[in-house]
Amino acid sequence: QKEVEQNSGPLSVPEGAIASLNCTYSDRGSQSFFWYRQYSGKSPELIMFIYSNGDKEDGRFTAQLNKASQYVSLLIRDSQPSDSATYLCAVNPARDYKLSFGAGTTVTVRA
Amino acid sequence: NAGVTQTPKFQVLKTGQSMTLQCAQDMNHNSMYWYRQDPGMGLRLIYYSASEGTTDKGEVPNGYNVSRLNKREFSLRLESAAPSQTSVYFCASQELGNTEAFFGQGTRLTVV
Repeated sequence: QKEVEQNSGPLSVPEGAIASLNCTYSDRGSQSFFWYRQYSGKSPELIMFIYSNGDKEDGRFTAQLNKASQYVSLLIRDSQPSDSATYLCAVNPARDYKLSFGAGTTVTVRA
Repeated sequence: NAGVTQTPKFQVLKTGQSMTLQCAQDMNHNSMYWYRQDPGMGLRLIYYSASEGTTDKGEVPNGYNVSRLNKREFSLRLESAAPSQTSVYFCASQELGNTEAFFGQGTRLTVV
């Protein structure tokens, strides 16, 4: 079982719509959860992190964490063409100091 | 402030050749990582170093070796390159397990 799994995508949404991205993780003791955005040919960059159960909002982005279900999601509201990228979920497992990533979900926002 | 610097940016190797990818960070971070990225596979962890003097295998360590030379530098070595190692390699650093990881610009490696 992979440590971090994401819905496979690709995901295509019209401009102005909500894009919903999902991620599950296997280590129940994981404490830190991150969403990175990666444009084609570029390095990943952090857009959100969340440590506690519930929602965390930052502008048009909302991260949701449910530790009981081992599930973390990212919502992108009012999607813009500039949001077209691959979104990577990352988790720091509890048992050691490493950062594991999911396979990523590619989002395309149609103008 | 340069952040995380990787060299080289591009490299073409012949099968069986060896090379070392260099990574240096100037943020005084304890943890450093090497990932490879292949189409549709996300970032797969090759090796990581939680602190100076320690290294551990990640998900795909076969064919690679690493050295944590000091707190700043973490190198990745391919002893005998194979076409299956054609990939984009990223180095990253992180202060502790609960903080943002910063990435280098990547190395695009082709093995022919």
